[in-house]
Amino acid sequence: EDKVVQSPLSLVVHEGDTVTLNCSYEVTNFRSLLWYKQEKKAPTFLFMLTSSGIEKKSGRLSSILDKKELFSILNITATQTGDSAIYLCAGKETSGSRLTFGEGTQLTVNP
Amino acid sequence: GAVVSQHPSWVICKSGTSVKIECRSLDFQATTMFWYRQFPKQSLMLMATSNEGSKATYEQGVEKDKFLINHASLTLSTLTVTSAHPEDSSFYICSVPGLAGGTSLSYEQYFGPGTRLTVT
Repeated sequence: EDKVVQSPLSLVVHEGDTVTLNCSYEVTNFRSLLWYKQEKKAPTFLFMLTSSGIEKKSGRLSSILDKKELFSILNITATQTGDSAIYLCAGKETSGSRLTFGEGTQLTVNP
Repeated sequence: GAVVSQHPSWVICKSGTSVKIECRSLDFQATTMFWYRQFPKQSLMLMATSNEGSKATYEQGVEKDKFLINHASLTLSTLTVTSAHPEDSSFYICSVPGLAGGTSLSYEQYFGPGTRLTVT
Protein backbone atom coordinates (compact mmCIF):
# COMPACT_ATOMS: atom_id res chain seq x y z
CA GLU A 1 0.00 0.00 0.00
CA ASP A 2 1.33 3.43 -0.94
CA LYS A 3 2.28 5.66 1.95
CA VAL A 4 3.29 9.30 2.31
CA VAL A 5 4.48 10.68 5.64
CA GLN A 6 4.98 14.34 6.44
CA SER A 7 6.81 15.98 9.31
CA PRO A 8 6.39 17.92 11.39
CA LEU A 9 2.63 17.68 11.65
CA SER A 10 2.48 21.13 13.16
CA LEU A 11 4.86 24.07 13.19
CA VAL A 12 4.60 27.55 14.70
CA VAL A 13 7.11 30.24 13.70
CA HIS A 14 7.50 34.00 13.67
CA GLU A 15 7.38 36.15 10.59
CA GLY A 16 10.72 36.22 8.85
CA ASP A 17 11.73 32.72 9.92
CA THR A 18 12.72 30.06 7.40
CA VAL A 19 10.95 26.70 7.57
CA THR A 20 11.61 23.29 6.07
CA LEU A 21 8.79 20.82 5.66
CA ASN A 22 9.55 17.16 5.10
CA CYS A 23 7.83 14.49 3.06
CA SER A 24 8.87 10.86 2.73
CA TYR A 25 7.12 8.45 0.44
CA GLU A 26 6.68 4.81 -0.44
CA VAL A 27 4.81 4.74 -3.72
CA THR A 28 4.75 1.77 -6.06
CA ASN A 29 5.90 2.75 -9.55
CA PHE A 30 6.58 6.26 -8.34
CA ARG A 31 6.36 9.03 -10.91
CA SER A 32 6.07 12.42 -9.21
CA LEU A 33 5.83 14.17 -5.89
CA LEU A 34 3.43 17.09 -5.63
CA TRP A 35 3.15 19.86 -3.04
CA TYR A 36 -0.08 21.70 -2.29
CA LYS A 37 -1.06 24.56 -0.01
CA GLN A 38 -4.47 24.36 1.64
CA GLU A 39 -6.01 27.31 3.39
CA LYS A 40 -9.74 27.45 4.06
CA LYS A 41 -10.87 25.45 1.08
CA ALA A 42 -9.40 23.12 -1.50
CA PRO A 43 -5.66 22.66 -2.05
CA THR A 44 -3.81 24.87 -4.49
CA PHE A 45 -0.92 23.50 -6.49
CA LEU A 46 2.62 24.53 -5.61
CA PHE A 47 5.13 22.20 -7.22
CA MET A 48 5.45 18.93 -9.06
CA LEU A 49 8.79 17.18 -8.80
CA THR A 50 9.78 14.33 -11.05
CA SER A 51 13.57 14.39 -11.20
CA SER A 52 16.02 14.09 -8.34
CA GLY A 53 18.21 17.00 -7.31
CA ILE A 54 16.55 19.68 -9.40
CA GLU A 55 15.27 22.50 -7.24
CA LYS A 56 11.99 24.10 -8.17
CA LYS A 57 11.50 27.65 -7.02
CA SER A 58 8.59 30.03 -6.85
CA GLY A 59 9.24 33.25 -4.98
CA ARG A 60 10.09 32.41 -1.38
CA LEU A 61 9.12 28.76 -1.83
CA SER A 62 11.40 26.08 -3.13
CA SER A 63 11.32 22.31 -3.23
CA ILE A 64 13.57 19.44 -4.13
CA LEU A 65 13.20 15.69 -4.54
CA ASP A 66 15.58 12.88 -3.59
CA LYS A 67 14.48 9.70 -5.35
CA LYS A 68 17.25 7.65 -3.80
CA GLU A 69 16.25 8.44 -0.23
CA LEU A 70 12.55 8.75 -1.15
CA PHE A 71 11.88 12.16 0.28
CA SER A 72 11.21 15.74 -0.61
CA ILE A 73 11.49 19.02 1.26
CA LEU A 74 9.61 22.26 0.89
CA ASN A 75 11.42 25.39 2.04
CA ILE A 76 9.80 28.70 2.78
CA THR A 77 12.10 31.64 3.45
CA ALA A 78 11.19 34.94 5.10
CA THR A 79 7.82 33.55 6.15
CA GLN A 80 4.77 35.80 6.24
CA THR A 81 1.47 35.44 8.06
CA GLY A 82 -0.11 34.65 4.70
CA ASP A 83 1.96 31.49 4.54
CA SER A 84 -0.11 30.04 7.38
CA ALA A 85 -1.83 27.00 5.92
CA ILE A 86 -1.72 23.24 5.72
CA TYR A 87 0.95 22.04 3.33
CA LEU A 88 0.24 18.70 1.71
CA CYS A 89 2.52 16.50 -0.27
CA ALA A 90 1.28 13.69 -2.47
CA GLY A 91 2.89 10.87 -4.37
CA LYS A 92 1.81 9.90 -7.84
CA GLU A 93 2.27 6.59 -9.60
CA THR A 94 3.36 6.18 -13.19
CA SER A 95 0.07 4.78 -14.30
CA GLY A 96 -3.14 6.70 -13.84
CA SER A 97 -3.64 9.99 -12.07
CA ARG A 98 -4.39 9.02 -8.49
CA LEU A 99 -2.50 10.73 -5.69
CA THR A 100 -1.65 9.45 -2.22
CA PHE A 101 -1.58 12.32 0.24
CA GLY A 102 0.40 12.74 3.42
CA GLU A 103 -1.19 13.94 6.64
CA GLY A 104 -0.13 17.50 6.01
CA THR A 105 1.90 20.01 8.00
CA GLN A 106 -0.07 22.76 9.72
CA LEU A 107 2.12 25.86 9.52
CA THR A 108 1.27 28.88 11.62
CA VAL A 109 3.23 32.08 11.10
CA ASN A 110 2.78 34.60 13.88
CA PRO A 111 3.41 38.32 13.40
CA GLY B 1 -5.06 24.77 -15.89
CA ALA B 2 -8.52 23.36 -15.54
CA VAL B 3 -11.21 25.26 -13.67
CA VAL B 4 -13.29 23.02 -11.44
CA SER B 5 -16.48 23.97 -9.65
CA GLN B 6 -18.50 22.19 -7.00
CA HIS B 7 -22.06 22.65 -5.94
CA PRO B 8 -23.21 23.19 -3.31
CA SER B 9 -20.32 24.73 -1.39
CA TRP B 10 -21.96 23.73 1.85
CA VAL B 11 -25.02 21.74 2.83
CA ILE B 12 -26.75 20.79 6.04
CA CYS B 13 -29.07 17.82 5.97
CA LYS B 14 -30.93 15.62 8.39
CA SER B 15 -29.83 12.13 9.23
CA GLY B 16 -31.28 9.57 6.85
CA THR B 17 -31.62 11.88 3.87
CA SER B 18 -29.55 11.83 0.68
CA VAL B 19 -27.35 14.61 -0.60
CA LYS B 20 -26.02 15.10 -4.10
CA ILE B 21 -22.77 16.97 -4.76
CA GLU B 22 -21.83 18.07 -8.26
CA CYS B 23 -18.34 18.48 -9.65
CA ARG B 24 -17.93 20.29 -12.95
CA SER B 25 -14.87 20.75 -15.10
CA LEU B 26 -15.61 24.12 -16.68
CA ASP B 27 -13.00 24.31 -19.39
CA PHE B 28 -11.57 20.83 -19.68
CA GLN B 29 -13.04 17.52 -20.74
CA ALA B 30 -12.38 14.99 -18.03
CA THR B 31 -12.77 11.28 -18.58
CA THR B 32 -11.60 10.82 -15.01
CA MET B 33 -12.42 12.73 -11.86
CA PHE B 34 -11.47 11.97 -8.28
CA TRP B 35 -13.51 12.30 -5.11
CA TYR B 36 -11.78 12.95 -1.80
CA ARG B 37 -13.01 13.29 1.74
CA GLN B 38 -11.25 15.32 4.40
CA PHE B 39 -12.11 15.21 8.10
CA PRO B 40 -11.04 18.09 10.36
CA LYS B 41 -7.29 18.28 10.87
CA GLN B 42 -6.76 15.29 8.61
CA SER B 43 -5.45 14.86 5.11
CA LEU B 44 -7.34 14.16 1.91
CA MET B 45 -8.45 10.58 1.59
CA LEU B 46 -9.27 9.33 -1.88
CA MET B 47 -12.75 7.82 -1.92
CA ALA B 48 -13.21 6.86 -5.54
CA THR B 49 -12.23 7.43 -9.12
CA SER B 50 -15.09 8.52 -11.33
CA ASN B 51 -14.90 7.27 -14.90
CA GLU B 52 -16.96 8.75 -17.70
CA GLY B 53 -19.11 6.10 -19.31
CA SER B 54 -18.25 3.34 -16.86
CA LYS B 55 -18.49 2.41 -13.22
CA ALA B 56 -16.54 4.26 -10.59
CA THR B 57 -13.61 2.61 -8.87
CA TYR B 58 -13.89 2.74 -5.10
CA GLU B 59 -11.06 2.68 -2.60
CA GLN B 60 -10.93 -0.03 0.00
CA GLY B 61 -13.32 0.63 2.84
CA VAL B 62 -15.59 3.00 0.90
CA GLU B 63 -19.14 1.69 0.53
CA LYS B 64 -20.16 2.00 -3.10
CA ASP B 65 -23.85 1.64 -2.26
CA LYS B 66 -23.63 4.54 0.16
CA PHE B 67 -21.55 6.86 -1.97
CA LEU B 68 -23.07 6.75 -5.44
CA ILE B 69 -20.98 8.21 -8.21
CA ASN B 70 -22.26 9.08 -11.65
CA HIS B 71 -19.98 10.49 -14.33
CA ALA B 72 -22.70 11.60 -16.69
CA SER B 73 -20.58 13.55 -19.15
CA LEU B 74 -17.04 14.69 -19.79
CA THR B 75 -17.64 17.75 -17.63
CA LEU B 76 -19.83 16.48 -14.80
CA SER B 77 -19.47 13.95 -12.02
CA THR B 78 -21.88 13.65 -9.10
CA LEU B 79 -21.44 12.11 -5.68
CA THR B 80 -24.60 11.19 -3.82
CA VAL B 81 -24.31 10.42 -0.12
CA THR B 82 -27.27 8.16 0.56
CA SER B 83 -28.91 7.82 3.96
CA ALA B 84 -26.46 10.27 5.43
CA HIS B 85 -25.43 10.00 9.07
CA PRO B 86 -23.56 12.43 11.31
CA GLU B 87 -20.33 10.49 10.79
CA ASP B 88 -20.57 11.36 7.09
CA SER B 89 -20.12 15.02 7.97
CA SER B 90 -16.94 16.04 6.21
CA PHE B 91 -15.36 18.18 3.52
CA TYR B 92 -15.80 16.54 0.11
CA ILE B 93 -13.47 17.63 -2.67
CA CYS B 94 -13.32 16.58 -6.29
CA SER B 95 -10.37 16.92 -8.60
CA VAL B 96 -9.70 16.74 -12.28
CA PRO B 97 -6.36 15.54 -13.64
CA GLY B 98 -4.96 17.89 -16.20
CA LEU B 99 -1.77 18.96 -17.90
CA ALA B 100 0.85 21.14 -16.26
CA GLY B 101 3.88 22.49 -17.98
CA GLY B 102 2.59 21.63 -21.40
CA THR B 103 4.12 18.20 -21.63
CA SER B 104 2.41 14.87 -21.86
CA LEU B 105 4.64 13.47 -19.13
CA SER B 106 3.72 15.91 -16.42
CA TYR B 107 0.30 16.62 -15.04
CA GLU B 108 -1.26 17.54 -11.78
CA GLN B 109 -4.75 17.59 -10.38
CA TYR B 110 -7.00 20.60 -10.26
CA PHE B 111 -9.21 20.69 -7.21
CA GLY B 112 -12.72 21.99 -6.86
CA PRO B 113 -13.46 24.38 -3.99
CA GLY B 114 -14.97 21.60 -1.92
CA THR B 115 -18.36 20.94 -0.34
CA ARG B 116 -18.80 20.98 3.41
CA LEU B 117 -21.47 18.50 4.45
CA THR B 118 -22.98 18.60 7.90
CA VAL B 119 -25.44 15.89 8.86
CA THR B 120 -27.56 16.64 11.90
